[in-house]
Amino acid sequence: EPEVTQTPSHQVTQMGQEVILRCVPISNHLYFYWYRQILGQKVEFLVSFYNNEISEKSEIFDDQFSVERPDGSNFTLKIRSTKLEDSAMYFCASSDQENYGYTFGSGTRLTVV
Amino acid sequence: QKEVEQNSGPLSVPEGAIASLNCTYSDRGSQSFFWYRQYSGKSPELIMSIYSNGDKEDGRFTAQLNKASQYVSLLIRDSQPSDSATYLCAVSSSASKIIFGSGTRLSIRP
Repeated sequence: EPEVTQTPSHQVTQMGQEVILRCVPISNHLYFYWYRQILGQKVEFLVSFYNNEISEKSEIFDDQFSVERPDGSNFTLKIRSTKLEDSAMYFCASSDQENYGYTFGSGTRLTVV
Repeated sequence: QKEVEQNSGPLSVPEGAIASLNCTYSDRGSQSFFWYRQYSGKSPELIMSIYSNGDKEDGRFTAQLNKASQYVSLLIRDSQPSDSATYLCAVSSSASKIIFGSGTRLSIRP
């Protein structure tokens, strides 16, 4: 069964450092998303991406965050200067149609120390 | 603020019984509704989607949607220990995103 692949599975970084979280969506999917889940809290929307541009972003997705699709397969989330409160599980998701259910990757656990 | 509300649980159900999970949402314009299952430390897994009023059945799962009442539910028949997880209700709040409730923890006791 096709799956969304995320790397790394766990990343520890120092506060103020830049991190890049990587995702390979399902190959025929056109819509891409990043969500995050702070431990014990709900899954929160960060950003959606279609046709090489951001479709929508949340209040969380401020100037410290950016997304990119550098080639035909990867989809990345960059956090420029990490804060302690950025510690969370970050999930990439993709779908082949708008408003259809998303397939989530297994997540990257980001720990900022 | 568009919201999706769920009881946090835990909801404890004996093995073999029916588990009933409920969800309400605030945005009347929502068009798509989903139930995800999330095991501890894992990612959400889509188990049901529903787009029109009424019931939709898939195996042991039945999703129910009532747009007039802004209410979505999930029934799990013949509950198994492997159904023990957190169930997330999710609603499309625009064409470009779905938003999640905080989830209901379900525990199936043998």
